[in-house]
Amino acid sequence: DSGVTQTPKHLITATGQRVTLRCSPRSGDLSVYWYQQSLDQGLQFLIQYYNGEERAKGNILERFSAQQFPDLHSELNLSSLELGDSALYFCASSVGFSSYEQYFGPGTRLTVT
Amino acid sequence: AQKITQTQPGMFVQEKEAVTLDCTYDTSDPSYGLFWYKQPSSGEMIFLIYQGSYDQQNATEGRYSLNFQKARKSANLVISASQLGDSAMYFCAMSLSGGSNYKLTFGKGTLLTVNP
Repeated sequence: DSGVTQTPKHLITATGQRVTLRCSPRSGDLSVYWYQQSLDQGLQFLIQYYNGEERAKGNILERFSAQQFPDLHSELNLSSLELGDSALYFCASSVGFSSYEQYFGPGTRLTVT
Repeated sequence: AQKITQTQPGMFVQEKEAVTLDCTYDTSDPSYGLFWYKQPSSGEMIFLIYQGSYDQQNATEGRYSLNFQKARKSANLVISASQLGDSAMYFCAMSLSGGSNYKLTFGKGTLLTVNP
């Protein structure tokens, strides 16, 4: 158990809908990273937050947004969902924004039908 | 931009034998970290081992060791005494230091199957 929690574990929704994925980092970790794992794109970095502020963006679509709250949990919002958004979404956390070691949560498997 | 290449889509090994999973990387940044993660069929990503670019010695963690050859830009994972529970997908990843982003860049992975 990495200490990173993600909810829900599974999510099935229809095209055009909006969903919110939630992540709680390990106790004491200030950085949260979001990754997407799909069959065609592999594992890709989406976005990083550190202590409530956005630090870096990767290949994140404009339909996706994220935030980190004062209690350090983070949410990834996916809107106008398309079939291609079906993937496993991971949250990872690390102590600081410059920490190499990232610990991954169990992931949220999103299926868009 | 950094890149990770894993050339073995699948590998087979007999239980109790050692296996090497290949990983090469490409970056012009002198400071970076190299990682291996294990992803079982259940889906979670399990951190295995880390090697810093300035580390003089190869990293080891139990049955896992990282064969770091900086000049060749390779960071192969060696698993000794394979167990059935080692059957999983293995990902090599890299993170650059400096700047404000320590994102992980992953390879495509190697599916390891341990045979009894």
